[in-house]
Amino acid sequence: DAGVIQSPRHEVTEMGQEVTLRCKPISGHDYLFWYRQTMMRGLELLIYFNNNVPIDDSGMPEDRFSAKMPNASFSTLKIQPSEPRDSAVYFCASSPQKDNPTEAFFGQGTRLTVV
Amino acid sequence: RKEVEQDPGPFNVPEGATVAFNCTYSNSASQSFFWYRQDCRKEPKLLMSVYSSGNEDGRFTAQLNRASQYISLLIRDSKLSDSATYLCVVNGPPPGGYNKLIFGAGTRLAVHP
Repeated sequence: DAGVIQSPRHEVTEMGQEVTLRCKPISGHDYLFWYRQTMMRGLELLIYFNNNVPIDDSGMPEDRFSAKMPNASFSTLKIQPSEPRDSAVYFCASSPQKDNPTEAFFGQGTRLTVV
Repeated sequence: RKEVEQDPGPFNVPEGATVAFNCTYSNSASQSFFWYRQDCRKEPKLLMSVYSSGNEDGRFTAQLNRASQYISLLIRDSKLSDSATYLCVVNGPPPGGYNKLIFGAGTRLAVHP
């Protein structure tokens, strides 16, 4: 298995532009998580899905952020409009957990810079 | 209070040293506990799960104290390759948060020759 695949690996964009981050989870994993990591705040959970349904989006910072999972093999995190404070590494992770929480497997992340 | 708290370090130790990391969590209903390792500019990866009775994997030993809501990681005979950030991870409160994994800010370890 190729693991969790994220694209792009790096993104530099100007303030006000729309940014779309993409994730392909590991096949068969029912849970998908989006995290954001910064030096100041560490690794923060933004939203997670179970069987393509958003379960908890309480970590999404504001309405500029949205996430979708149209099918079991694809998810997007969109920021519109982007701001410099959105600069961070965004990780997608998937997990095979059923009833109890188990290991989450992370993608390599997207390093976003908003200038 | 943060849901998962760790000493940020850094811990600077010589090769061969024994080092211990601590972590506290706020939700007494948490049931699943993990230690992850993150190398510089890489993604976090599972180091080991933490079981109620404590568990060991080679040079690494994890302990859980539910009464104190405290988790520890002990690394014996440190290697240069152990240099990384160690993240304490706990699942969220039931029912809605039960399946989400909450990460501590991490403790940085630097092992020197």
